[in-house]
Amino acid sequence: AQSVTQLDSHVSVSEGTPVLLRCNYSSSYSPSLFWYVQHPNKGLQLLLKYTSAATLVKGINGFEAEFKKSETSFHLTKPSAHMSDAAEYFCVVISYYDYKLSFGAGTTVTVRA
Amino acid sequence: GAVVSQHPSWVICKSGTSVKIECRSLDFQATTMFWYRQFPKQSLMLMATSNEGSKATYEQGVEKDKFLINHASLTLSTLTVTSAHPEDSSFYICSARDGAGDGYEQYFGPGTRLTVT
Repeated sequence: AQSVTQLDSHVSVSEGTPVLLRCNYSSSYSPSLFWYVQHPNKGLQLLLKYTSAATLVKGINGFEAEFKKSETSFHLTKPSAHMSDAAEYFCVVISYYDYKLSFGAGTTVTVRA
Repeated sequence: GAVVSQHPSWVICKSGTSVKIECRSLDFQATTMFWYRQFPKQSLMLMATSNEGSKATYEQGVEKDKFLINHASLTLSTLTVTSAHPEDSSFYICSARDGAGDGYEQYFGPGTRLTVT
């Protein structure tokens, strides 16, 4: 079985400072991993995905994530937070067998002016 | 990019009535659609997997007779909440997998807010 663990339930940053959202995964084989963002009362938007190509993945809105097999991690970063980044972020792993997604518990990001 | 729509975006119904939520893939054929529910401040919980032309597969603990899923075409899946009760109030989100792509990406609908009074 595959799973992901988001290590922080809430992250608060000042506008213009870096953002780090931590995610560890558990999988018996090389996983495909995603980061999604959800703004209040909205659906999910894909930020980026890792599917066994380059370990450093660049996504939309300046986000990027690095797949580290040795650490079983897939942390999401952004060098400079913007007020519009305030949202809920989910780290997700997909099952190759039935394409089911397993979601982390989510990390709420607040951005201080 | 691929777009998935849901209708309605929000609905209020009385206890004991049934509500149907539609999920449509607008510009691709979705061989598989998934239905999730999300309680406030919580993550998404997979309810069921819907494959076109076959019966839905429900996750453990989800009542299949209460949450009826129909996937009659490659672009439409419906979730009907039967005999709704206040505890069914939630945010329901669907996603669709593009069978023509690499299969790993799912596209999410904007969600439907259900309130049962």
